[in-house]
Amino acid sequence: DTAVSQTPKYLVTQMGNDKSIKCEQNLGHDTMYWYKQDSKKFLKIMFSYNNKELIINETVPNRFSPKSPDKAHLNLHINSLELGDSAVYFCASSQVSTGGIETQYFGPGTRLLVL
Amino acid sequence: GDSVTQMEGPVTLSEEAFLTINCTYTATGYPSLFWYVQYPGEGLQLLLKATKADDKGSNKGFEATYRKETTSFHLEKGSVQVSDSAVYFCALTDTGRRALTFGSGTRLQVQP
Repeated sequence: DTAVSQTPKYLVTQMGNDKSIKCEQNLGHDTMYWYKQDSKKFLKIMFSYNNKELIINETVPNRFSPKSPDKAHLNLHINSLELGDSAVYFCASSQVSTGGIETQYFGPGTRLLVL
Repeated sequence: GDSVTQMEGPVTLSEEAFLTINCTYTATGYPSLFWYVQYPGEGLQLLLKATKADDKGSNKGFEATYRKETTSFHLEKGSVQVSDSAVYFCALTDTGRRALTFGSGTRLQVQP
């Protein structure tokens, strides 16, 4: 009964390759996110989609392209991978509840290593 | 812009010791405040939250009180266990911005 799932869990690849990470949530939430955690554990928002519409796009290289085929899925495609892309990528989802309160639920993370 | 500042780690304690991890924030609107925990090799789990001033969030023996006057949300636990060893993140969401802004994380190591 995984709430937010990501595949793959680990990804090792060569510089210059193109790779995708997939995320799915079964919580019925309307908003999904991608966060990047660097080697020092610092977490930063990359993208957010609400009902398949991009609502947050931080300063991220355009080699990173998110795609949301439906409310339950948010994928991240990365072109021309660079060494600096090595990180843990977390997917999250949320829904604004009564009173405007929302909580984000995170997936287990995808550990990307670019060689 | 919004920011969250946490105390530097690692914090090393003996089992049953009292824990405080300091967190202060700056925000332009009316933020909601959160503590997330990351156990080794795992993802982030929500530990507790507070959505308005003077609210106290609590879970698994951990507590934090939303202090607007000091812009703080310090995490406390009366008696830590070895199983509490993890990285703890303070975070906020601000009015009109749904993404989380995280602090740098504080690693807690509890020794038996």
